[in-house]
Amino acid sequence: GEDVEQSLFLSVREGDSSVINCTYTDSSSTYLYWYKQEPGAGLQLLTYIFSNMDMKQDQRLTVLLNKKDKHLSLRIADTQTGDSAIYFCAEAYNQGGKLIFGQGTELSVKP
Amino acid sequence: DVKVTQSSRYLVKRTGEKVFLECVQDMDHENMFWYRQDPGLGLRLIYFSYDVKMKEKGDIPEGYSVSREKKERFSLILESASTNQTSMYLCASSGQNNEKLFFGSGTQLSVL
Repeated sequence: GEDVEQSLFLSVREGDSSVINCTYTDSSSTYLYWYKQEPGAGLQLLTYIFSNMDMKQDQRLTVLLNKKDKHLSLRIADTQTGDSAIYFCAEAYNQGGKLIFGQGTELSVKP
Repeated sequence: DVKVTQSSRYLVKRTGEKVFLECVQDMDHENMFWYRQDPGLGLRLIYFSYDVKMKEKGDIPEGYSVSREKKERFSLILESASTNQTSMYLCASSGQNNEKLFFGSGTQLSVL
């Protein structure tokens, strides 16, 4: 079945770039998403990319999509302590808004 | 901005109790979803609904049921709570175009 995989932890220093990686299995995905979850909160949509694009940039965030390898990444430039959170990758694998989520990557930013 | 409101932030229940988790959205969204979140497992879909009085099973529906009597409200029901249902429950909604899923703040349920 459909599956989305992420590494569980990433630690970076403040000011460095962070790259969070994700792989997915369903080649028919229409959209791929990055959500952010801060401690004690729900999920907040950070950005998303349509499957016919290979890159999307939004301020400090860059999303890269490699459809051939079914690989999605989120790059955060100039990472700040406020970026510490869990980041979830998700794919929409059919019509109707159902998303399949990865396990989440906990990003820790050290001063 | 879309607002998805979950009625309780924390709940503590006993094994065997019937538990209702309520979710309301204010953007006239057709689609509503219930997920549970567990460490290392990410989010798993329990049930979803595309319309009033309509429901479909997600990936882990066992032990749960849902109710959608009004478009804005989607309730998750644990008929007889068990300790393995201790989890964070997240409600979400999306409109007809399905581009974006909006989440509530979550309900942390502990079953003792």
